[in-house]
Amino acid sequence: QSALTQPASVSGSPGQSITISCTGTSSDVGGYNYVSWYQQHPGKAPKLMIYDVSNRPSGVSNRFSGSKSGNTASLTISGLQAEDEADYYCSSYTSSSTFVVFGGGTKLTVL
Amino acid sequence: QLQLQESGPGLVKPSETLSLTCTVSGGSISSSSYYWGWIRQPPGKGLEWIGSIYYSGSTYYNPSLKSRVTISVDTSKNQFSLKLSSVTAADTAVYYCARHDWQWLVLGWFDPWGQGTLVTVSS
Repeated sequence: QSALTQPASVSGSPGQSITISCTGTSSDVGGYNYVSWYQQHPGKAPKLMIYDVSNRPSGVSNRFSGSKSGNTASLTISGLQAEDEADYYCSSYTSSSTFVVFGGGTKLTVL
Repeated sequence: QLQLQESGPGLVKPSETLSLTCTVSGGSISSSSYYWGWIRQPPGKGLEWIGSIYYSGSTYYNPSLKSRVTISVDTSKNQFSLKLSSVTAADTAVYYCARHDWQWLVLGWFDPWGQGTLVTVSS
């Protein structure tokens, strides 16, 4: 069981917006602004899409945005494209002895 | 452009030690703002952080693996390495290395990642 809870799957049609949630506790997501999001296509390495809750690395489309409310962080993808179909993982720093926790991953299907 | 590349045996026998090396190119492993980490992903499953090391040798480990993990760094070769002892089939996974952000004494995001290497534990 992962430390951060994500929905197993989400789906949307091209052009639509979707949101993936990532729920933790006050020891991780809720207590620190160190949430990051990763996109992983099949057979590929994860790619950083959002860091520190809402910052986009250079080169990442502005269709990707991140936010946080309480113990839940969210990744929103607007204007869905076929190439967005992938697995998405959240991660957070945690004040527990684990230091770093990941979510279980969410499979995004573009219909 | 910073790049990371994992290398090591793809097959390890049960009870033996898994050894992998990550070679960093396009930048120095001795950067003051980053740790260097190992993450693994069992087939069809999610990501698990294993541990991270600073160029000085300071380490953080996942408590669930700490008793079996050793991460070391060789700044002269711009490399860091992972050793995981007493492996079982449950350690079969794709192993990734990545640069690990470190700010205000907190471990943050991973970027970039190596391409990953599949290690299978089997006799």
